[in-house]
Amino acid sequence: GEDVEQSLFLSVREGDSSVINCTYTDSSSTYLYWYKQEPGAGLQLLTYIFSNMDMKQDQRLTVLLNKKDKHLSLRIADTQTGDSAIYFCAENPSGGYQKVTFGIGTKLQVIP
Amino acid sequence: DTAVSQTPKYLVTQMGNDKSIKCEQNLGHDTMYWYKQDSKKFLKIMFSYNNKELIINETVPNRFSPKSPDKAHLNLHINSLELGDSAVYFCASSPSGGGEGAKNIQYFGAGTRLSVL
Repeated sequence: GEDVEQSLFLSVREGDSSVINCTYTDSSSTYLYWYKQEPGAGLQLLTYIFSNMDMKQDQRLTVLLNKKDKHLSLRIADTQTGDSAIYFCAENPSGGYQKVTFGIGTKLQVIP
Repeated sequence: DTAVSQTPKYLVTQMGNDKSIKCEQNLGHDTMYWYKQDSKKFLKIMFSYNNKELIINETVPNRFSPKSPDKAHLNLHINSLELGDSAVYFCASSPSGGGEGAKNIQYFGAGTRLSVL
């Protein structure tokens, strides 16, 4: 079955790095995603990683995937107040338009 | 231009009423979704349509009926509204086929906040 777990809350100081962690259960997951939700808005894709990759970097964002432990993390370097939002980890077991399972979301609070 | 647009943004209604939420996407995507986000921010898929055909139907009360008149629209009709239906409902779309479709990257609307009194 699919289950995606995340911690609920993370607080960091502006300029520090943030690391948001996620664990998932479906070992056949093809794609894993990080979505960002700002207050009053819908989710927006931040980045994704294909299951045959260990790491993906995109400007201030670094995604690490440990398939053995089914652990995904998102590191945000030089965190800014505009990064304050809820971050959702999600998995897609088979790719294509099949069901994507979302975690409960981690609320990131950036303290100026 | 808004890629995925939902109307209305806010909906306040009495228990027992019937209401509809509309969704339109102008991205040319084949697949559309409805999600429910509860007060704890938990996001759960309800339905998915691909080219007007229902492909995902989670355990949702049959008071909820999706309708897709064409692949750019997916509306959600709710009969006999209950207090527990209060939530934010998100519409999303994704391309199918290769490229972005294989990755199932979803584009979300801004949400409809439904409050049942």
